[in-house]
Amino acid sequence: SQQGEEDPQALSIQEGENATMNCSYKTSINNLQWYRQNSGRGLVHLILIRSNEREKHSGRLRVTLDTSKKSSSLLITASRAADTASYFCATDAGTSGSRLTFGEGTQLTVNP
Amino acid sequence: DAGVIQSPRHEVTEMGQEVTLRCKPISGHDYLFWYRQTMMRGLELLIYFNNNVPIDDSGMPEDRFSAKMPNASFSTLKIQPSEPRDSAVYFCASSLQQGSYNEQFFGPGTRLTVL
Repeated sequence: SQQGEEDPQALSIQEGENATMNCSYKTSINNLQWYRQNSGRGLVHLILIRSNEREKHSGRLRVTLDTSKKSSSLLITASRAADTASYFCATDAGTSGSRLTFGEGTQLTVNP
Repeated sequence: DAGVIQSPRHEVTEMGQEVTLRCKPISGHDYLFWYRQTMMRGLELLIYFNNNVPIDDSGMPEDRFSAKMPNASFSTLKIQPSEPRDSAVYFCASSLQQGSYNEQFFGPGTRLTVL
């Protein structure tokens, strides 16, 4: 399996609910990043968490990182219909310049 | 800044034809990446450059694919000859390595259809 696997593959919730997506990876990392992709568009960077950080917040986003379990989670609080998108985690192993390895993504649908 | 610019946005061509995709990275960024995205294979890194020099092209599917970066503001991805299985969305991304911060900025993509 690939570095950076998201779970679940698809998630459907109601507006106002929280959405949690998980990412697991296999090798040591320098940092882990989350990206969003709206249908038919390019990926947009959301948040970066370094390997020595455990939690980070940005607006309605909360990211956690557990390097002992090689896993991360992205929490979107008080979801909105506009949050409907695919969410990808990406890992930087720190050995190949700025190269990132992307997971397969979680498709989030927020129903109004 | 206008962000990463890709052209064309859509390309429809017939099998056997040459296809050239173009990318203008964000000014000042020192890394440029070419990705391919399909439903079956997800997002795949094809090749990336650092300061205009190709660093890793191990993701390039076969010799039909080639990429160049003649200067810091322009890169091309060429497919010759194209095949139906090359149909995908091709993304260009750029980044600036600043310590441990290296978020990538993606262009809007080129949707390629090979008939």
